[in-house]
Amino acid sequence: EPEVTQTPSHQVTQMGQEVILRCVPISNHLYFYWYRQILGQKVEFLVSFYNNEISEKSEIFDDQFSVERPDGSNFTLKIRSTKLEDSAMYFCAGQSRDNYGYTFGSGTRLTVV
Amino acid sequence: LAKTTQPISMDSYEGQEVNITCSHNNIATNDYITWYQQFPSQGPRFIIQGYKTKVTNEVASLFIPADRKSSTLSLPRVSLSDTAVYYCLVGFGRRQLTFGSGTQLTVLP
Repeated sequence: EPEVTQTPSHQVTQMGQEVILRCVPISNHLYFYWYRQILGQKVEFLVSFYNNEISEKSEIFDDQFSVERPDGSNFTLKIRSTKLEDSAMYFCAGQSRDNYGYTFGSGTRLTVV
Repeated sequence: LAKTTQPISMDSYEGQEVNITCSHNNIATNDYITWYQQFPSQGPRFIIQGYKTKVTNEVASLFIPADRKSSTLSLPRVSLSDTAVYYCLVGFGRRQLTFGSGTQLTVLP
């Protein structure tokens, strides 16, 4: 079964540092998403991306966040200046044209110290 | 986005059938009902999706009554590895998913 691959699986960074979380979607996916889940809390939507532009974003996705798909393959989430409260699991997800079900990656655990 | 309500937790024993019901009173005409499963420290995993009546796949069945104001996820003969959080979501198309707190299913030996 095709998988959405996320790297790294765990990232520790100092507050104020930039981090880039990477995702390799399934090849026939056209719609891409980032979600996050703070430990013990709900899964929260961050941003959706289609046709090389942001379709929707939440209040969480402020100017410190950005996404891109530079080479038509990798889908990245960048946090420019991390804060302690950015510590969470970050999940990439994708959808194909024909299926409304998402395929999520296994996540990146980001720890900001 | 339609709000969903589901039990916070359920316990079951291995080999039993488990039914988790979700209510979504303000579901819109175009909305689909989708269930996801999540294990600790993993991403949610798509289980099943339906619009009306009954849908069955290799892991679960989804029952949706005619008024579509609720749905029931049925897991046949659960095992310990089915212990997870199960989310019911309602929506249409490519819109963002709004996850609730889900139902923590614990399967006991």
